[in-house]
Amino acid sequence: GESVGLHLPTLSVQEGDNSIINCAYSNSASDYFIWYKQESGKGPQFIIDIRSNMDKRQGQRVTVLLNKTVKHLSLQIAATQPGDSAVYFCAEIRAPGTGFQKLVFGTGTRLLVSP
Amino acid sequence: GAVVSQHPSRVICKSGTSVKIECRSLDFQATTMFWYRQFPKKSLMLMATSNEGSKATYEQGVEKDKFLINHASLTLSTLTVTSAHPEDSSFYICSARDASGGYEQYFGPGTRLTVT
Repeated sequence: GESVGLHLPTLSVQEGDNSIINCAYSNSASDYFIWYKQESGKGPQFIIDIRSNMDKRQGQRVTVLLNKTVKHLSLQIAATQPGDSAVYFCAEIRAPGTGFQKLVFGTGTRLLVSP
Repeated sequence: GAVVSQHPSRVICKSGTSVKIECRSLDFQATTMFWYRQFPKKSLMLMATSNEGSKATYEQGVEKDKFLINHASLTLSTLTVTSAHPEDSSFYICSARDASGGYEQYFGPGTRLTVT
């Protein structure tokens, strides 16, 4: 079936390191992806998004890379800080622009940043 | 901007009772709101899509008579868990999409439901 999943359930890094969180998706028709950050006991927080007509998009300290050939998405966090510790989800918008849109979330990766 | 609130943030109820959770868009109008459920250390699972003034669309496997959704205004959607059982204990999260357009969903802080 169609799914959006993550390769690594937990990623531990040192403060200041760069972090890379990966995501694989199986629906080749998806053309919009979002990364969310979720802290314990809170709702997801939007980080960055990317459309399928792009292969890279940069934000503040974050970069999302999209490889449609292998259906792979990654989130890069530069100079990781303890405040970045959270669970990160990739999500896929199904049927964007048609009025019937829903988010399908991946399984999540926990990022642990030690000082 | 784009703030979504949920109330209550935590609720404990006894088996057999019903619990209502509110989701409000505070500074925008939302024609569509979404309800998710999240188990510990798991991902968010979409339960239903709620459109203002119409019946909610439930995902496969979600009992509509158990999880009643009402979206009576452009800023409020409610989820009522009827005849709650311990297995309904979970983290319930809503999101809202701005009526002015766009596909981004703004998430609420979640409601922790514990059924004893």
